Amino acid sequence: AQSVSQHNHHVILSEAASLELGCNYSYGGTVNLFWYVQYPGQHLQLLLKYFSGDPLVKGIKGFEAEFIKSKFSFNLRKPSVQWSDTAEYFCAVTGYSSASKIIFGSGTRLSIRP
Amino acid sequence: DTGVSQNPRHKITKRGQNVTFRCDPISEHNRLYWYRQTLGQGPEFLTYFQNEAQLEKSRLLSDRFSAERPKGSFSTLEIQRTEQGDSAMYLCASSFEGRTNYGYTFGSGTRLTVV
Repeated sequence: AQSVSQHNHHVILSEAASLELGCNYSYGGTVNLFWYVQYPGQHLQLLLKYFSGDPLVKGIKGFEAEFIKSKFSFNLRKPSVQWSDTAEYFCAVTGYSSASKIIFGSGTRLSIRP
Repeated sequence: DTGVSQNPRHKITKRGQNVTFRCDPISEHNRLYWYRQTLGQGPEFLTYFQNEAQLEKSRLLSDRFSAERPKGSFSTLEIQRTEQGDSAMYLCASSFEGRTNYGYTFGSGTRLTVV
């Protein structure tokens, strides 16, 4: 079955700490991977995406993610978090076919202490 | 282009009543998706349209749920005989065929509370 697992439900960090949020997926075939962010009271926004090529992708606001095919993982990282990074983060996967729909993980709530 | 618009933003209804939500996608997007999100969970796929054709429906979409996109532009999601378990955020997203895998653009959602 197609699925996305985010094992960290709630992560609490202090400002300037480094961040890594785990994401593992189960999906047959070639995949496209995403991280979405939902700031408090706002709609889902695309943070970054991976289609092909360099497995290290950079997104907005200093975030990056690394696709490791052998581990079926797409972890999100940021070297130094800010209070404004407080949000919910969703990992998502879709197949290469344009008919594929996006499947989301359950999300990780990130709280940053000022 | 002002993004994906959803109305209403909030809806409180009594159990057993019918409710209808509207989604206006980005104008040039021919694909429209409905998702449902409950507290502590990620968005769950409900259904999607390409133009006016409904191409896929999730098993989550019971017979009480119906979605339409009559002219291939806006879409409506109707829930009949609402139940407390229907309380959730209903999200609409759109994309353009062939660029689906670039990610969707989401609306702000309609929060439904069934009392």
